[in-house]
Amino acid sequence: DVKVTQSSRYLVKRTGEKVFLECVQDMDHENMFWYRQDPGLGLRLIYFSYDVKMKEKGDIPEGYSVSREKKERFSLILESASTNQTSMYLCASSSSGTGVTYNSPLHFGNGTRLTVT
Amino acid sequence: QQQVKQSPQSLIVQKGGIPIINCAYENTAFDYFPWYQQFPGKGPALLIAIRPDVSEKKEGRFTISFNKSAKQFSLHIMDSQPGDSATYFCAATDNYGQNFVFGPGTRLSVLP
Repeated sequence: DVKVTQSSRYLVKRTGEKVFLECVQDMDHENMFWYRQDPGLGLRLIYFSYDVKMKEKGDIPEGYSVSREKKERFSLILESASTNQTSMYLCASSSSGTGVTYNSPLHFGNGTRLTVT
Repeated sequence: QQQVKQSPQSLIVQKGGIPIINCAYENTAFDYFPWYQQFPGKGPALLIAIRPDVSEKKEGRFTISFNKSAKQFSLHIMDSQPGDSATYFCAATDNYGQNFVFGPGTRLSVLP
C-alpha cells in the first residue's frame, strides 16, 4: 500500500512566522502535490512537482513555496504565515506511469490542519 | 474551463437509499474522472474512476455514469449504508495526470 506521511496533524503558528510542512511518500512516485482544502471550495492545487528539484505552480501559489531535494520528500513553505492561510493542507503523490493516467490515481496523506493566529 | 462543478453540496438519505452526486466539466482535454471518498480526519481516498470511452463503471455498490456529449458524470451508491457517510469529491485530469481538478465536494449522511 502506498503511504503518504505528513509530519504534523495539527500546527498552530503566529502571523509572520515561517512555516514548513513536510511530506514523505514511500512508493517511488515521480509526482507530488500540495493541496489546500477549505469548506465549500474543495481541493485547490498550490504546487506540484514531477521530478526532483522541479516544481510547477498550481492554482493558488501566492504566499507559498516548495522544495523537492529528494524524490520521496516534498516540502511546502509558508514564507510569512498569514491568517488567511489557516486551512487543511493535503499532500499527495502519483506515479507518472507511461501516460496511462487511469492507473495513476492520487494517493493522499491525512492532512495537516494549520491555524495561524 | 478548468472548473469541475459538483452538486448537491450536501445530501441526506435513509439506509438502503440511492444517493446520486452529479458533476460537470468544460475542458474536453480531461480524460480521467476519479471519485474520492474522505472520512473525517483522513485524506481523500480513491473510490472509483472512469475513462470517457465507457458510459458506466461499477465497483461493488458504487457506479459511475458518464455522458461524454453532455460533459457530465455522476456517482450512484446502491443500498447505501451509514458507513458510507463521508464527503465525496469528483475530479478530472488530462492525459498527463499532473493537474487534477476537484469539485467542491458533497457531504453525504446516511441515516440508520
